[in-house]
Amino acid sequence: DQQVKQNSPSLSVQEGRISILNCDYTNSMFDYFLWYKKYPAEGPTFLISISSIKDKNEDGRFTVFLNKSAKHLSLHIVPSQPGDSAVYFCAAYGGGYQKVTFGTGTKLQVIP
Amino acid sequence: GAGVSQSPRYKVAKRGQDVALRCDPISGHVSLFWYQQALGQGPEFLTYFQNEAQLDKSGLPSDRFFAERPEGSVSTLKIQRTQQEDSAVYLCASSWGAGERETQYFGPGTRLLVL
Repeated sequence: DQQVKQNSPSLSVQEGRISILNCDYTNSMFDYFLWYKKYPAEGPTFLISISSIKDKNEDGRFTVFLNKSAKHLSLHIVPSQPGDSAVYFCAAYGGGYQKVTFGTGTKLQVIP
Repeated sequence: GAGVSQSPRYKVAKRGQDVALRCDPISGHVSLFWYQQALGQGPEFLTYFQNEAQLDKSGLPSDRFFAERPEGSVSTLKIQRTQQEDSAVYLCASSWGAGERETQYFGPGTRLLVL
């Protein structure tokens, strides 16, 4: 039972354009959401987070939007850069005290 | 400062062998986590330590999996009688405190291949 879903396994975007990565969740107990970025042969690196009491959080080129009623969140990267090419994981807290549930990831390719 | 380190980076085991995977968290981090990442999947929670106490082991797939952190720093994940389905990347993460919703810092992982 996949509680955090990233339905797009891959995404290609031109450099300078906007990248939008989507994530859906099913567990209404989730109350804190994170995005992690992962390069090959490295561990995931924290990118940005959002609490369920907010609907938007922005950090530089990265913005995360949360729609609680739809159980949907998205990560916007503007402008996209070649160095952003990586696998992006959506993750959620709330299934247990410190337990984080991850999605399956979306591989982003930013084309120069 | 140094990040989370894991060793070995790669491990090939014959089916039925026991393996031990090591994690060195960031110095001073109270919380430590183990995850299993199968090919094409996201990391899946295995277990959580707060200092030396194992507070959650609900994700361990079977009693062949055992984790310890005896002195509250280095942790070892042991898999007994390895099976082919154990082949995965095992990720370790640590976080500063014991509070909820803290950022977890990941190591590079150990890639285990069971033949």
